[in-house]
Amino acid sequence: GAGVSQSPSNKVTEKGKDVELRCDPISGHTALYWYRQSLGQGLEFLIYFQGNSAPDKSGLPSDRFSAERTGGSVSTLTIQRTQQEDSAVYLCASSAPGGGDSPYNEQFFGPGTRLTVL
Amino acid sequence: AQKITQTQPGMFVQEKEAVTLDCTYDTSDQSYGLFWYKQPSSGEMIFLIYQGSYDEQNATEGRYSLNFQKARKSANLVISASQLGDSAMYFCATPSGTSYGKLTFGQGTILTVHP
Repeated sequence: GAGVSQSPSNKVTEKGKDVELRCDPISGHTALYWYRQSLGQGLEFLIYFQGNSAPDKSGLPSDRFSAERTGGSVSTLTIQRTQQEDSAVYLCASSAPGGGDSPYNEQFFGPGTRLTVL
Repeated sequence: AQKITQTQPGMFVQEKEAVTLDCTYDTSDQSYGLFWYKQPSSGEMIFLIYQGSYDEQNATEGRYSLNFQKARKSANLVISASQLGDSAMYFCATPSGTSYGKLTFGQGTILTVHP
């Protein structure tokens, strides 16, 4: 079946502009996560959505970052007034509802969006 | 809060030999899990193996196995019979307390397999 997809794959923008990054999770996955991967900071959690619950926004680095998930499926991560330090690869992941042998559910990752802020 | 430490920035191994990638963790959760992911140069994150804290046996998935030592808080990944395609970045990660836990990742280890 189709995996997690993200668009665009690459985005170059100018400092101060807003950008939107899109994530399509695997169909039926109720949990969706955004992570950021940069050279200096490694892999950082940003935000996650679980079903209809309020999202966990504890990883968002500033109020310039926001995300929404419409209809429990597609998610958009928005970065306003981009700064050069926002340059990174933004990874989206999704995971299935609970069940099975493991109490923790494997997260399936998309290919990422490489954001470059000039 | 969870913390994952991978102390090997880079590792080298000869093709067909085994290699161990180190991972130590720190968590206050009674029940927890450890994941290993592989990230080739293409950038995708590929799930390799999972170990639950209450699993009595070390997890194995094909050529991947987990050397889980709870008392030492270590969950080292062992790759047997290394292949050139194993050259990649490897991340150890642990979720937060819930089953949908956000992952905390280690710094990663770059593995290079020599022919």
